[in-house]
Amino acid sequence: ETGVTQSPTHLIKTRGQQVTLRCSSQSGHNTVSWYQQALGQGPQFIFQYYREEENGRGNFPPRFSGLQFPNYSSELNVNALELDDSALYLCASSLYPTGTSNSPLHFGNGTRLTVT
Amino acid sequence: GESVGLHLPTLSVQEGDNSIINCAYSNSASDYFIWYKQESGKGPQFIIDIRSNMDKRQGQRVTVLLNKTVKHLSLQIAATQPGDSAVYFCAENGDYGQNFVFGPGTRLSVLP
Repeated sequence: ETGVTQSPTHLIKTRGQQVTLRCSSQSGHNTVSWYQQALGQGPQFIFQYYREEENGRGNFPPRFSGLQFPNYSSELNVNALELDDSALYLCASSLYPTGTSNSPLHFGNGTRLTVT
Repeated sequence: GESVGLHLPTLSVQEGDNSIINCAYSNSASDYFIWYKQESGKGPQFIIDIRSNMDKRQGQRVTVLLNKTVKHLSLQIAATQPGDSAVYFCAENGDYGQNFVFGPGTRLSVLP
């Protein structure tokens, strides 16, 4: 069974640039969620994707957007990067959408984004 | 707003002792809770979960207790080992169900 994989592992961008982060879900999982984890804090929910549609969103501005593909993999896009966007971005997959069942999230190891 | 908090931000225990990590949650509507372990440079790793219709659930060397009356969760680790050193998060399903709300975490340090 293949776990959640994310790429790249590290990324350095300049303020104002755009970034795309990628995630492959765990085998058999059809739902992908993205979380932002600032240093020393718990993960914060960005959004969830199910059947290629956004299925819930946290308190993040529209410049954070995403996609889910037919193979359930996903992308997180962030436009107009700000210094405060520096964080660990975590992708998690689950067997079902977390709103319809008690289905735990299984996380990848994240992408460390640094905005300078 | 909803939040998940932890009583102890850091916890140091002797190797071989039992560890207890506590967590308070504020959303009485939450019905599903998870404990995660996060090691340095890695993503959170699922440890154990519990539904609100249960008070206790046991896994391998770990036990989660849920007290809905006072909205409190705890994670007990038996015979703590050096490999247990990590940050531990509790998480509850949020108001809309699509997200989990995580607390700030407790760092567990296992002393030799």
